[in-house]
Amino acid sequence: DIQMTQSPSSLSASVGDKLTITCRASRTISKYLHWYQHKAGKAPELLISGASTLQSGIPSRFSGNGSGTEYTLTISSLQPEDIGTYFCQQTYSTPLTFGGGTKVEVK
Amino acid sequence: QVQLVQSEAEVKKPGASVKVSCKASGYTFISNGINWVRQAPGQGLEWMGWISGDNVKTNYAENFQGRVTMTTDTSTSTAYMELRSLRSDDTAMYYCARAYSISYYMDVWGQGTTLTVSS
Repeated sequence: DIQMTQSPSSLSASVGDKLTITCRASRTISKYLHWYQHKAGKAPELLISGASTLQSGIPSRFSGNGSGTEYTLTISSLQPEDIGTYFCQQTYSTPLTFGGGTKVEVK
Repeated sequence: QVQLVQSEAEVKKPGASVKVSCKASGYTFISNGINWVRQAPGQGLEWMGWISGDNVKTNYAENFQGRVTMTTDTSTSTAYMELRSLRSDDTAMYYCARAYSISYYMDVWGQGTTLTVSS
């Protein structure tokens, strides 16, 4: 199984701050890496697919990068509505696996 | 609009079975597959398996092999996930999520179905 290690597990930042969340795979996943946002009481929402493709309707302050085993999600300017948990997922091989999640809070 | 609507919360006793439904609308059901993912309280997300929309192909996670069955009803655009021999550690939120194929991202998610397993 491919293990996905996500860091940090939580963070607290101010509105306007730049945030970076990292996801490391236990072996190469060739950009089969996707990022989701999960707000309490709601269904998860796809933000970025294929490591860097921003989904329609997602604000441009979200961006993704990476290759091989290391990937990042960046929020260029944190907004109050960005609170929630962010998690990565690999679909390179089964079983599909997720990172442990990063809980984002606004100070 | 594209959406997946899941069945209501369930409470089951250990050893029982549960069947969760996921009704799709707004897209061509047989052209996309459905994943099932669960999240136990305080835990991360766990992939359970994927089924093609036309009910032909399945791919189950090894952790659930022999205990889970995923099906679709193309006449009603509904996917089902049946989990048997329930244990207390099956208590979780269960999500369905659309994915074109098993190697694709999950672009639409259901609202989740809470399963509580308790004697």
